[in-house]
Parts: sequence; C-alpha cells; structure tokens
Amino acid sequence: EIVMTQSPATLSVSPGERATLSCRASQSVSSNLAWYQQKPGQAPRLLIYGASTRATGIPARFSGSGSGTEFTLTISSLQSEDFAVYYCQQYNNWPPNTFGQGTKLEIK
Amino acid sequence: EVQLVESGGGLVQPGGSLRLSCAASGFTFSSYSMNWVRQAPGKGLEWVSYISSSSSTIYYADSVKGRFTISRDNAKNSLYLQMNSLRDEDTAVYYCARARLYDYWGQGTLVTVSS
Repeated sequence: EIVMTQSPATLSVSPGERATLSCRASQSVSSNLAWYQQKPGQAPRLLIYGASTRATGIPARFSGSGSGTEFTLTISSLQSEDFAVYYCQQYNNWPPNTFGQGTKLEIK
Repeated sequence: EVQLVESGGGLVQPGGSLRLSCAASGFTFSSYSMNWVRQAPGKGLEWVSYISSSSSTIYYADSVKGRFTISRDNAKNSLYLQMNSLRDEDTAVYYCARARLYDYWGQGTLVTVSS
C-alpha cells in the first residue's frame, strides 16, 4: 500500500497571500494524484486530478504540480472561502486509493 | 446536476448490522463505478469499498473485508453497503463517491457503533 504524507499538518496564512501545500508518496504514483478540499460539515470536493488539471468549476487560483513522489498544491491568493482541510490522494496503485492525512489551512 | 444522497445511517450496537443506500441522479449511473469512503470523527478519509459499473469488479479495504458487502442496482440508480458485525471503530460518516476520481460526493450519513 502506498503511503501519502502531507506537510505541514497546519498552515497559517493571511488572506491574499499564497499558500503552498506538499504531498509525498512512498513510491512513484506517476501523475495519478488528486487534491480535495473539505470544509467543516461538508463532503470533500475534487479540486485537482492528474496532478495538475483543475476539476470543473475550480478557480484558476488553485494549481497543482509534481510527478512521481513529490506534489504541490498552490493557492495563489487566498480567499476567505479557501480556509479548509486539503487532502491529497493517489489513484495509481489501487486498491486502495490512499489519502494523505490532510493539511489544515487556517487564517493567520 | 449530479446528486448523490446517502441514507441509512444511525446508532447500532457492536456486532449489529446496518444497510446504507446512496441514491444517484443527474448522470447515467450505470456507466460509472462507485465507492464508499468513510471519515471517523475528527479524522481523515478512508476508502472502504469499490464496485465497477457492471458489478463485475469489487474491492474492499482490509479493515472491512468479510464484514461489509457493496452492491448496486443500476435500474434503481442506487448503491448499497451492507455492514455486518459492526465494531466501535466503524463509527464514521460514510460517503458515496463517483468513479475512481471521486469527482462527486454525497453529503454523507453518520454511523455510530456504541453500546
């Protein structure tokens, strides 16, 4: 089973600033990496798939990069609605699709 | 509009059973694989089970294998999860999610296993 490790566990950023979240896989997952956003009391929402492709309706301020074992989610200018928990997930070697433990993005 | 609506959660004693349902609308259900994913209170996401569009391929997480059964009824646009021999550690919000990419999720249904 591939282990996904996200860092940091919590990231404090001011509105309008850039946020950079990291995700590392225990072995190569090629570009089969997705990012999800989850707000309190809500279901997760797909943001990015294929490591860098934005899902339908996702604003351009969200971007993903990386391949192999190292991945990054960047939010270019944080809006109030972006403060949430973010999960990465690999779907290269499955089952299971494995998730990272999450990064909580909080307001500084 | 794609919609997934879970139901069937509730309070159950350890060793008990529960059947979850997920009603799908807004897309051709029979063309998509489906998953159940759960989230224990205050914890991260855990994949539970997968079923292909025709039910020909089914997978389970090791933590539920032999206790949970996934199924679907394409005529009724519905996905199911039969949960038997429930344990305290099965307490979670259970989500249904579409396809391998989990591109759409339901709102979740809470299962609480407690005496």
